[in-house]
Amino acid sequence: NAGVTQTPKFRILKIGQSMTLQCAQDMNHNYMYWYRQDPGMGLKLIYYSVGAGITDKGEVPNGYNVSRSTTEDFPLRLELAAPSQTSVYFCASSYNRNTEAFFGQGTRLTVV
Amino acid sequence: ELKVEQNPLFLSMQEGKNYTIYCNYSTTSDRLYWYRQDPGKSLESLFVLLSNGAVKQEGRLMASLDTKARLSTLHITAAVHDLSATYFCAVDLAGNMLTFGGGTRLMVKP
Repeated sequence: NAGVTQTPKFRILKIGQSMTLQCAQDMNHNYMYWYRQDPGMGLKLIYYSVGAGITDKGEVPNGYNVSRSTTEDFPLRLELAAPSQTSVYFCASSYNRNTEAFFGQGTRLTVV
Repeated sequence: ELKVEQNPLFLSMQEGKNYTIYCNYSTTSDRLYWYRQDPGKSLESLFVLLSNGAVKQEGRLMASLDTKARLSTLHITAAVHDLSATYFCAVDLAGNMLTFGGGTRLMVKP
């Protein structure tokens, strides 16, 4: 049982490049989330999904896109990377809103 | 807009001492979570508090929720070095959208 798996762990992007952060969970959780954590700060919600085919914006969605074609996978896409997107990105999942979220190990992204 | 504030932001304490971390939030909610984060690591769930008056304990940590006061506390009893980490509270306002506090960085010194 791997839990929540994120890839890659580290990435350096040039301004204007695109990339997809991968997230997969094997716990059959309905809810999945993407957060970003800037240095010394708490987490901010980018997007979330309550099930396959359903996604919604969080607090800071600009510059990102998501899709949820399966229960297991919830990729996060950055289309035109900007230095302001330098952060650590965490994917999380939960069974429902009354249970705790389990977090992946994070992806450290630097945009230069 | 929901705001979640933790205090203190930084706490240095000696082993064996007791202390409390406070989490205040601005809008009614009956779902609050506590997480621990070690440096460079992911978040680990500590407590899930789902109703007014909820109290949960695990080892030297005890969390409580007062929804009327919009306040949760994380109490540390007889701190040990292994508890050094950053602790976050998170409030679920609209369902599925956790808003995190800024975190409390705890250092426990021998």
